[in-house]
Amino acid sequence: AQKVTQAQTEISVVEKEDVTLDCVYETRDTTYYLFWYKQPPSGELVFLIRRNSFDEQNEISGRYSWNFQKSTSSFNFTITASQVVDSAVYFCALSEAGINDYKLSFGAGTTVTVRA
Amino acid sequence: KAGVTQTPRYLIKTRGQQVTLSCSPISGHRSVSWYQQTPGQGLQFLFEYFSETQRNKGNFPGRFSGRQFSNSRSEMNVSTLELGDSALYLCASSIDRAGDAFFGQGTRLTVV
Repeated sequence: AQKVTQAQTEISVVEKEDVTLDCVYETRDTTYYLFWYKQPPSGELVFLIRRNSFDEQNEISGRYSWNFQKSTSSFNFTITASQVVDSAVYFCALSEAGINDYKLSFGAGTTVTVRA
Repeated sequence: KAGVTQTPRYLIKTRGQQVTLSCSPISGHRSVSWYQQTPGQGLQFLFEYFSETQRNKGNFPGRFSGRQFSNSRSEMNVSTLELGDSALYLCASSIDRAGDAFFGQGTRLTVV
């Protein structure tokens, strides 16, 4: 069963619009970690955030913000006032505690295109 | 602080050959993981090493293997290459379990 679902395949916006990327996860573990990565055309996965399952506090970092809701198993990511440099593929990932806790399970990714 | 370094960046190999990819983690990081990225399957976990021991392995055939050295550098090997092995191979390092995992730029392997 897919553990991380990113329902949006592609999102296209005009510069300065806000973009929200959805991520829904599935796990039976009570301890787990959620991640967001950005993959620009160069190919490298750029780490954006890690959140553990016991910390539901939302986080803001510059134009980026994350909304973690355990009740709906969601970890959504918002880019405020998008810029052309935000164009990339964004991946949500899950790492579960226990025997699989050294493995990241990725969603299929959401391609964000920001037009000038 | 240097990031994760993967070499080579690009490789072209012929079916049936074997290939070795290298990954140097961030200094102080002892965990190294490998992932395969293809358009059809997305990002898939290959294996993870910590202190020279493989702790976890994904669902890949035995042609895919890896190892980690005492300095935490890791290599992965693919034998008897198939066309379907063409992919971007990404390496990630972290300090320890479930820590922030940082990725290298990847090795793009093309099998012809």
